[in-house]
Amino acid sequence: GQQVMQIPQYQHVQEGEDFTTYCNSSTTLSNIQWYKQRPGGHPVFLIQLVKSGEVKKQKRLTFQFGEAKKNSSLHITATQTTDVGTYFCAGRNNAGNMLTFGGGTRLMVKP
Amino acid sequence: SQTIHQWPATLVQPVGSPLSLECTVEGTSNPNLYWYRQAAGRGLQLLFYSVGIGQISSEVPQNLSASRPQDRQFILSSKKLLLSDSGFYLCAWNNRGGNEKLFFGSGTQLSVL
Repeated sequence: GQQVMQIPQYQHVQEGEDFTTYCNSSTTLSNIQWYKQRPGGHPVFLIQLVKSGEVKKQKRLTFQFGEAKKNSSLHITATQTTDVGTYFCAGRNNAGNMLTFGGGTRLMVKP
Repeated sequence: SQTIHQWPATLVQPVGSPLSLECTVEGTSNPNLYWYRQAAGRGLQLLFYSVGIGQISSEVPQNLSASRPQDRQFILSSKKLLLSDSGFYLCAWNNRGGNEKLFFGSGTQLSVL
């Protein structure tokens, strides 16, 4: 079945440093979504990417979908303590309607 | 606007006891409904999903079951809990269609002792 791998599993950064999490799928995706889960909270939708090579920005967050639609990344510029949480990618393949979640990257920011 | 309610927020149950977690969605019709489990510090594992009343698909064989007695109600149950059933259980919904985002409930932290 479809597998979605996400690295790194954990990342500690100093406030102000940049952060990137990478997502790789074993199959070609029709689209990919990103979610953020604050400590003790539930995942909240951030964005969806659909097109090959697509890049979207939300303030300090930059999301990218690979040309082959098998990988994606989330880059945060100049992290802040409010960025703390676990970031999940979730991919949907061409065959079905189900999302497969990556294992998540837990971001910790030192003030 | 649409809202999702999930309860209880926390639950401590002895091994072998039954379980019933309830989730309801308001403000939408015919949603897809999902149950996910998240082990501590881990990713999201899809347990069940439903595209309509009485229609349940299981992704992982286990001692849990799900039911959808009404359009916007989704219930996760077990007759006898195991220690390994401990975790954070999340209900979620989305609209019909191929690219819809998920809306998650606030989750239930289940500890089986």
